[in-house]
Amino acid sequence: ETGVTQSPTHLIKTRGQQVTLRCSSQSGHNTVSWYQQALGQGPQFIFQYYREEENGRGNFPPRFSGLQFPNYSSELNVNALELDDSALYLCASSLAGSNEQFFGPGTRLTVL
Amino acid sequence: GDSVTQMEGPVTLSEEAFLTINCTYTATGYPSLFWYVQYPGEGLQLLLKATKADDKGSNKGFEATYRKETTSFHLEKGSVQVSDSAVYFCALSDLSGSARQLTFGSGTQLTVLP
Repeated sequence: ETGVTQSPTHLIKTRGQQVTLRCSSQSGHNTVSWYQQALGQGPQFIFQYYREEENGRGNFPPRFSGLQFPNYSSELNVNALELDDSALYLCASSLAGSNEQFFGPGTRLTVL
Repeated sequence: GDSVTQMEGPVTLSEEAFLTINCTYTATGYPSLFWYVQYPGEGLQLLLKATKADDKGSNKGFEATYRKETTSFHLEKGSVQVSDSAVYFCALSDLSGSARQLTFGSGTQLTVLP
């Protein structure tokens, strides 16, 4: 059974640029959630995707957007990067309706 | 909204010491409760969970009991090892619209010295 994978591992961008992060869900999982973890903090929920639609969103601006593909993999896109977007971005997959989420290793984004 | 409050860290213990990390929560519904662990440079791993009041979650010697009357889910281990050094996050899962999202505490850094 393949776990949740994320790419890239690390990324450095400059303010104002755009970035795309990728996630492959665990085998059989049809729901993907994204979280932002700032240094020294707990993860914050960004949004969740199910059946290629966003079905829940945390307190993040519209410049954070996502996609889910028919194979349940997902992308997180962030436009107009700000310095405060520097964080570890975590993807988690689950079965629809389940309260148990399985996390990938994360993508470390640094915005200069 | 939902929230989780964790004991402030960092916590430093000697090997074989007893561990308690306090966690309390606020939720409007009937959440499930979790402890996740994060080792340096890695993502989150589920340590244990409890889905209803008085449930006890346990794994690898760690335990936590869902206490609805005190809205708490304290993590305990009787004898810690150096390999337990990590950051521990308490979290709750509640239904928000049609999405089950996790709400995390700020984490507690545990260092176990040999």
